[in-house]
Amino acid sequence: DAGVIQSPRHEVTEMGQEVTLRCKPISGHNSLFWYRQTMMRGLELLIYFNNNVPIDDSGMPEDRFSAKMPNASFSTLKIQPSEPRDSAVYFCASTLDRGLATNEKLFFGSGTQLSVL
Amino acid sequence: SQQGEEDPQALSIQEGENATMNCSYKTSINNLQWYRQNSGRGLVHLILIRSNEREKHSGRLRVTLDTSKKSSSLLITASRAADTASYFCATSRNTGNQFYFGTGTSLTVIP
Repeated sequence: DAGVIQSPRHEVTEMGQEVTLRCKPISGHNSLFWYRQTMMRGLELLIYFNNNVPIDDSGMPEDRFSAKMPNASFSTLKIQPSEPRDSAVYFCASTLDRGLATNEKLFFGSGTQLSVL
Repeated sequence: SQQGEEDPQALSIQEGENATMNCSYKTSINNLQWYRQNSGRGLVHLILIRSNEREKHSGRLRVTLDTSKKSSSLLITASRAADTASYFCATSRNTGNQFYFGTGTSLTVIP
């Protein structure tokens, strides 16, 4: 299996531009997570999907951020408009949720390094 | 925030020594997991300990959990230069499958 695949690996954009980050989870996994990592705040959970449905988006910083999961093999995280403070590494992770709060381990992608100038 | 806190923030040891890092968390948990992150890479799962377990071993890793103190420790024995990485604890609550990560310990093993 190729693991969790994220694209692009690096994104440099100017303030005000729209940014779209992409994630392909491991085949067969039914839960997908988006995290943001910065030196100041560590790893923050942004949003969590289960069976393509957003379950918890309380970590999404503000309305400029949106995430979708149109099918089991693809998710996007969009920032519009982007701001310099959005600069961070964004990780996607997936797992197989067997229910009963089994909390299986997460498999992470390699991340997208976003720089907003 | 549900995030845990790792201690110390940074640790530097000689190859062959043992490395111990600690994690404290805030709420009741279902399980606690430790992950490793090499520079520029994603996190990789190391070990999981459930709330009804007190100690678990995996190779050179030993994890303890004290739910009364809301704390866990990760011990890496006979460290190697290749163990140089950041180590994170992650907790999940009894409801839902959200995973919340601590701030991480940066471990440097000097050859």
